[in-house]
Parts: sequence; structure tokens; C-alpha cells
Amino acid sequence: GDSVTQMEGPVTLSEEAFLTINCTYTATGYPSLFWYVQYPGEGLQLLLKATKADDKGSNKGFEATYRKETTSFHLEKGSVQVSDSAVYFCALSRPGGQNFVFGPGTRLSVLP
Amino acid sequence: DTEVTQTPKHLVMGMTNKKSLKCEQHMGHRAMYWYKQKAKKPPELMFVYSYEKLSINESVPSRFSPECPNSSLLNLHLHALQPEDSALYLCASRPVGGLSNYEQYFGPGTRLTVT
Repeated sequence: GDSVTQMEGPVTLSEEAFLTINCTYTATGYPSLFWYVQYPGEGLQLLLKATKADDKGSNKGFEATYRKETTSFHLEKGSVQVSDSAVYFCALSRPGGQNFVFGPGTRLSVLP
Repeated sequence: DTEVTQTPKHLVMGMTNKKSLKCEQHMGHRAMYWYKQKAKKPPELMFVYSYEKLSINESVPSRFSPECPNSSLLNLHLHALQPEDSALYLCASRPVGGLSNYEQYFGPGTRLTVT
């Protein structure tokens, strides 16, 4: 079945550091890929998405590129802020499908 | 309006109580979801409604009973819960149609504690 693997962390960085959170997936066909963020005490918010190979999703300084050849969708940000402290979930969805498959989540803590 | 609302925000209930969680969206989305999320874990799918009909039930115990009375509203009725059912319950909605892959829109969740 479909699955998503991501580094679980926790990841602790200093403010203005570079962030990479790795995400790889297993799925047949051409799934769409998503990054969701969950701040403490809140629901999940869509951070960015990509629906086909080589697409780059970007939002709020975060970026991720859909790499079909390596089945990856790594999340990057050039300079993190304390306000980026949250849990980040990588997820996939099949075209026409109803299910979302979530990775285990990566907890990020950014220290001032 | 791009918001999914959930009420109540917090709920404490005893094991013999009956309560309901409510979810509402006015984005015209015809797929609605219930998830259960335990601490430090990803959301775990419980139910999916598509066009107001139950399309996925992930073998959820019958003490959880979903209901979709119309295209904007989703309820989760709770009865005779166990302490291990304590969790954050998330509702989500999503457009449906063709082969397009739309994102899910999540509500803020209901924090449920079963005593």
C-alpha cells in the first residue's frame, strides 16, 4: 500500500538556520504530495502542495519539489523563525482517491 | 469563507455519557472526514462522507457514530467511550470531482477527555 516516510525528529535549530525535513513516499502512479503544519493546540494547515513531477510548491518561505525519480518531497526553508516551531506532516493522495496518507510528523523547535 | 469550524473546542465526558461533536463548512465541499489524533502521532482516519453518504469506515468501534445531515454539516455521536478514546478529533473537508487532487481543509479540532 501507499506510505510516507519522514524524519521524525525532534529537530532543533537556531533562528535563521537552514531547514530541511526529508520526506519520501511509496505509491503507484502519480500521487499529489502535500506538506501540512500543525501549531500547538491547532488543526492542520496546508503549507504547500505539488501535483506532478518536478512541480515546486512554495509558501511563507518554505519550498518543496516533487522528485519522481527519488520519490521524494523534501521541505526546505532558508531561514527559520521561532514562529515556525510546529509539527510538519508530509502526505500524499492518489488522483480520484479519498484517502490521504500521512507521514509520522516531524517536530521542529526553533530557538531564539 | 475558507473555514472549517468545530464545536465544542474542549469536551470532558464520563464513560456513560452521550455527547456529539459538530463540524461545519460552507465552501461547497462534498467530501467530509473525521480523524482521531493522539499526542505526537499523525491523524488517523475514522470516516469519510462523500455527497452525504458514508464511503469509508476504517473499522471504527460502534461507540462512534457519524452523521452527515446535509452537505455543510458533519456530526460525530459519542456513547459509552473508553479513556483510551481521549484524543484530538479533527474534521476536514475537500472538494471532489474528476481526477483532480485537492487538498483537505482541517478544522481546529475538539479536544476530548474521557474520564
